[in-house]
Amino acid sequence: DSGVTQTPKHLITATGQRVTLRCSPRSGDLSVYWYQQSLDQGLQFLIHYYNGEERAKGNILERFSAQQFPDLHSELNLSSLELGDSALYFCASSVDEGTHQPQHFGDGTRLSIL
Amino acid sequence: GQQVMQIPQYQHVQEGEDFTTYCNSSTTLSNIQWYKQRPGGHPVFLIQLVKSGEVKKQKRLTFQFGEAKKNSSLHITATQTTDVGTYFCAVLRDSNYQLIWGAGTKLIIKP
Repeated sequence: DSGVTQTPKHLITATGQRVTLRCSPRSGDLSVYWYQQSLDQGLQFLIHYYNGEERAKGNILERFSAQQFPDLHSELNLSSLELGDSALYFCASSVDEGTHQPQHFGDGTRLSIL
Repeated sequence: GQQVMQIPQYQHVQEGEDFTTYCNSSTTLSNIQWYKQRPGGHPVFLIQLVKSGEVKKQKRLTFQFGEAKKNSSLHITATQTTDVGTYFCAVLRDSNYQLIWGAGTKLIIKP
């Protein structure tokens, strides 16, 4: 158990819809990272928050947005969903904003677009 | 931009054979991390290498960081079924707080 909690585990929805994925980092971790992993592919970095502030953006689509709340949990919002958005979405957390610290991953949310 | 190339993409081995994956960068790295993702699971941190020429061992796993800090390898001796999964390297992009991930090497044990 990594200590990172992601909900829901599975999400099935239709094209054009909007969903919110939630992540609670490990106790004491201030950084949250979001990744997308398509079937049998590598990890695509989406966005990084540290203590409520956006720190870095990767290849995140304009239809996607995220935020980190004062209690440090984070949400990833995906809107106008397309078939290609079907993927496993991971959240990871680390102690601080520097990536010399290991990242601890949640179990992921599997998003299926029908 | 900074990239890291990881090879091979797949490696099929008989149980008991060795396995190696390599990560290479065109620029000097400050550190490199290695993760393992079991089938259906999430990436799990294995180790971090920081020093030039560093070698670290975890049981049958040996991790090396090149002298020039531009490449790294993960070697597994006498693979077992529990080693099955995808191994990723990740390096730090100094310009922001972002890890750059290799594409991963999938270890497959032949039946």
